[in-house]
Amino acid sequence: DIQMTQSPSSLSASVGDTVTITCRASQSISSYVNWYQQKPGKAPKLLISASSTLQNGVPSRFSGSGYGTDFTLTISSLQPEDFATYFCQQRYTAPESFGQGTKVDIK
Amino acid sequence: EVHLLESGGKLMKPGGSLRLSCAASGFNFNIFAMSWVRQAPGKGLEWVSGISGSGTGTYYRDSVKGRFTISRDNNKNILYLQMNSLRVEDTAIYYCAKDPLEGGGADSWGQGTLVTVSS
Repeated sequence: DIQMTQSPSSLSASVGDTVTITCRASQSISSYVNWYQQKPGKAPKLLISASSTLQNGVPSRFSGSGYGTDFTLTISSLQPEDFATYFCQQRYTAPESFGQGTKVDIK
Repeated sequence: EVHLLESGGKLMKPGGSLRLSCAASGFNFNIFAMSWVRQAPGKGLEWVSGISGSGTGTYYRDSVKGRFTISRDNNKNILYLQMNSLRVEDTAIYYCAKDPLEGGGADSWGQGTLVTVSS
């Protein structure tokens, strides 16, 4: 099975900061990585598909990049509504798997 | 607007059986693959099972294979997860999620239903 190692597990940031979350796959997975945002008590929300494709309605301050084994989610100019937990996911091969999550909280 | 509504979660004893349902609306249900994803309390996301739009293809993670069965009724627009031989480690919020037509992540999720397995 493919393991997705996400880092950091948590980070503190201020409104207006740029934050970067990384995800490393245990083997090459092309660009089959998706990113989700989850707020407490809510279902995950898809932000980015296929490493870098922003979902409709997602603000452009979110961006994704990467190919092969290393992927990043960048949030530019962090807004109050962005404080949440973020997960990466690989769908290159079954079973699909998620990173352990990165909690972004207010500094 | 896509809407997914899970139901059926409850407190169960180990070894018990439970069926979860996910009622879908707002899209052409029978052409989209669907998935069940779970989240143990305070933990991360874990894919459980998936099913093709027609229902002919089903997929499971190893830890539930032989115990859980995913199915769908495309006439009623309902996704199911039959859970047998429940274990304490199956305790989680279970989400149903809609897959896109061509690759990418699950683009719509239900609000989840809580399954607690405890003696």
